[in-house]
Amino acid sequence: AQSVAQPEDQVNVAEGNPLTVKCTYSVSGNPYLFWYVQYPNRGLQFLLKYITGDNLVKGSYGFEAEFNKSQTSFHLKKPSALVSDSALYFCAVRDGSNYQLIWGAGTKLIIKP
Amino acid sequence: KAGVTQTPRYLIKTRGQQVTLSCSPISGHRSVSWYQQTPGQGLQFLFEYFSETQRNKGNFPGRFSGRQFSNSRSEMNVSTLELGDSALYLCASSLVPRQNQETQYFGPGTRLLVL
Repeated sequence: AQSVAQPEDQVNVAEGNPLTVKCTYSVSGNPYLFWYVQYPNRGLQFLLKYITGDNLVKGSYGFEAEFNKSQTSFHLKKPSALVSDSALYFCAVRDGSNYQLIWGAGTKLIIKP
Repeated sequence: KAGVTQTPRYLIKTRGQQVTLSCSPISGHRSVSWYQQTPGQGLQFLFEYFSETQRNKGNFPGRFSGRQFSNSRSEMNVSTLELGDSALYLCASSLVPRQNQETQYFGPGTRLLVL
């Protein structure tokens, strides 16, 4: 069965430091992977996606994600964190059999000044 | 281009009542999906509509239903509300359904509180 795991409920990073939010997945076919961010009392905003091609995907707000097929991971990264990056981050994988998005539980990112 | 809009943004109902939520997709998008988000269960898929037809359905009771109109706008209805239905209901639109690379774009959600 397709699944997504975000092993950390919360990640704390000091402003200016690099950040990583982890995501691992399990799919039976080719993975189609997505990252979204949710600010308080808001809907989800699309950050980036991996479909095929380069393993390093660049997205909105300076975020990027590295696809690693051997480790079945798709970690979200940013070289220098901002306090405004504090939010809830969701990883998702598309289930190729029914095209549904399978969602991780979310990781709360807290950036401290 | 305007984003996905959802109305109302906030709603308070009592147990046993019914509620209808509305979603207008991004212009040109023809697929609409609905999700329920709660702190305990995370994001759970409700259903997906395309061309006025339900294409996919999550594991929710029949009290949850939806429909899509010819202009791609969608509504979802919850009948006989229960306390556990309190959640943020999110609508997402995409150009077409059933494409692996297709991105879903979300509205701000409707927060429903059932008392």
